[in-house]
Amino acid sequence: QKEVEQNSGPLSVPEGAIASLNCTYSDRGSQSFFWYRQYSGKSPELIMSIYSNGDKEDGRFTAQLNKASQYVSLLIRDSQPSDSATYLCAVHSNYQLIWGAGTKLIIKP
Amino acid sequence: DADVTQTPRNRITKTGKRIMLECSQTKGHDRMYWYRQDPGLGLRLIYYSFDVKDINKGEISDGYSVSRQAQAKFSLSLESAIPNQTALYFCATSDRSDKVYFGAGTRLSVL
Repeated sequence: QKEVEQNSGPLSVPEGAIASLNCTYSDRGSQSFFWYRQYSGKSPELIMSIYSNGDKEDGRFTAQLNKASQYVSLLIRDSQPSDSATYLCAVHSNYQLIWGAGTKLIIKP
Repeated sequence: DADVTQTPRNRITKTGKRIMLECSQTKGHDRMYWYRQDPGLGLRLIYYSFDVKDINKGEISDGYSVSRQAQAKFSLSLESAIPNQTALYFCATSDRSDKVYFGAGTRLSVL
């Protein structure tokens, strides 16, 4: 069974610091990787996608992919209270997305 | 207007009742999905459809059925609702880049 693992948290980070979220996956054949943000009671929102090894930056967000080690991470620079949410990692495997259970991030002012 | 619209947004029903959750999209995507989300369990796939004539069971399809009435419409039915189907339900669509876009969700309570 294909799996995506995330630490459930909560991860508490001071405002202005870097938040680092990690995700590991089991399917070595996966080619597409995504990070979603979900505020409490709301739907998940796509924030980053990454398809090749290395880093991909978009504003304050950086996604990192290491296929050899089967992990993908999300860095949030200059964390803001509005970044407090649950972050879901999703990995494309066998025609569908496999979802992690999410990491709850709390940014403390 | 939202690109992926779910109705109703909230529903309370009784055990044994049949209910339907509806989803429509204006994104022009062929692929549509129904997920449920329970606290601590993340998103679980109920059914997915890659086009009007292609419907597939997901991880947890027992007790559910779907209908793809058109490219833009994908409905989920609970034939005989039970309390452990109380959850937050999401409809979603995707393009061929595998990026998934969600509706606002339906909060369902089965008493």
